[in-house]
Amino acid sequence: AQTVTQSQPEMSVQEAETVTLSCTYDTSENNYYLFWYKQPPSRQMILVIRQEAYKQQNATENRFSVNFQKAAKSFSLKISDSQLGDTAMYFCAFMKQAGGTSYGKLTFGQGTILTVHP
Amino acid sequence: GAVVSQHPSRVICKSGTSVKIECRSLDFQATTMFWYRQFPKQSLMLMATSNEGSKATYEQGVEKDKFLINHASLTLSTLTVTSAHPEDSSFYICSAKRGTEKLFFGSGTQLSVL
Repeated sequence: AQTVTQSQPEMSVQEAETVTLSCTYDTSENNYYLFWYKQPPSRQMILVIRQEAYKQQNATENRFSVNFQKAAKSFSLKISDSQLGDTAMYFCAFMKQAGGTSYGKLTFGQGTILTVHP
Repeated sequence: GAVVSQHPSRVICKSGTSVKIECRSLDFQATTMFWYRQFPKQSLMLMATSNEGSKATYEQGVEKDKFLINHASLTLSTLTVTSAHPEDSSFYICSAKRGTEKLFFGSGTQLSVL
């Protein structure tokens, strides 16, 4: 079974600054996906970024980037130029890469509540 | 973009009654949908995988007679919480798979059992 651990229950950052959210995971799988999801107060789950484990290059999406360390089983999210709209709960998630028909089962971390202050 | 509609967004019911929650993929066919449960400020826990035309696959510890899942069409999966009790109060959220590697979440349903 897979486990995902987010050790920071809450984080805060000033607007326009940079913040890094931590995530570690444990798995015996070699092929998998890792995700960061954002859940604002509306509670809609929003995909922030996705990383395929076989790719060495870290994924980036505009102000969001990850530091993927496969050997260390670490997957942190860096948010640059933080904006007030980034205030949300952030979840790290794991998915086995078991063929297209199995795509979709996510194991989530405990979440980190991020507050961006003006 | 793809949209997954979940209804109702909020429901209050009396203890002992059953509640049905719908998850619809509005602009794509979803052969597989997933149901999660989330307690306040906690993680999402996968309850079951809903497969169109076949029985749902439940995660360990989830009572299948309590949480009935029906995926009768390519665009609709339903979760029925039977004989609901206050401990079933929670936020329930579905996700739908489009194609082989796209996943979209519904907006969730807050269930309160009195």
